[in-house]
Amino acid sequence: DQQVKQNSPSLSVQEGRISILNCDYTNSMFDYFLWYKKYPAEGPTFLISISSIKDKNEDGRFTVFLNKSAKHLSLHIVPSQPGDSAVYFCAASEGGSGTYKYIFGTGTRLKVLA
Amino acid sequence: DVKVTQSSRYLVKRTGEKVFLECVQDMDHENMFWYRQDPGLGLRLIYFSYDVKMKEKGDIPEGYSVSREKKERFSLILESASTNQTSMYLCASSLSFGWETQYFGPGTRLLVL
Repeated sequence: DQQVKQNSPSLSVQEGRISILNCDYTNSMFDYFLWYKKYPAEGPTFLISISSIKDKNEDGRFTVFLNKSAKHLSLHIVPSQPGDSAVYFCAASEGGSGTYKYIFGTGTRLKVLA
Repeated sequence: DVKVTQSSRYLVKRTGEKVFLECVQDMDHENMFWYRQDPGLGLRLIYFSYDVKMKEKGDIPEGYSVSREKKERFSLILESASTNQTSMYLCASSLSFGWETQYFGPGTRLLVL
């Protein structure tokens, strides 16, 4: 049973426009969420995180929104740049319980068109 | 700066061979992890270690073992490689559990023929 879902396997966006990547989860005990970016033949790199006490976290062009009632988070990239083309994974954990475990989504491949 | 390195970027092995994947972190992190990444399945945890000589099974430990003799080094061992172990293997480390970011190495793409 997939506890973290990224239902869009791919997304294409024009350079300069907004990219919105979505992630849904089923476990209401998740309280810490992260986004990772992965280029081909490289490991995932941490992008941005949010804890469940917040509904928004911003870092430059990247903003993560959390809607706990809908069990949904999204990553907004504004403006999108060709260098943002990568696979994006969301991950969730029960951080408050001190768990080691992240549950990862299946990833969304973003292509930013110049 | 955070650094996790993996011994090989690409590896080709034959069925039945014993395979060692090495991971080293230089951040004095307590915890280290091995994942595999497959298309459509995301990242799945194989094993993790929270201290030297300590290990715990993840979600898919079958066919794998691990070794952590030193804090900075975590090895993944495929005792007898099989074709269904062809995958991208990713090592990660974190300072502690809970609300801690995991930092990943560049990955090893393993092909088992």
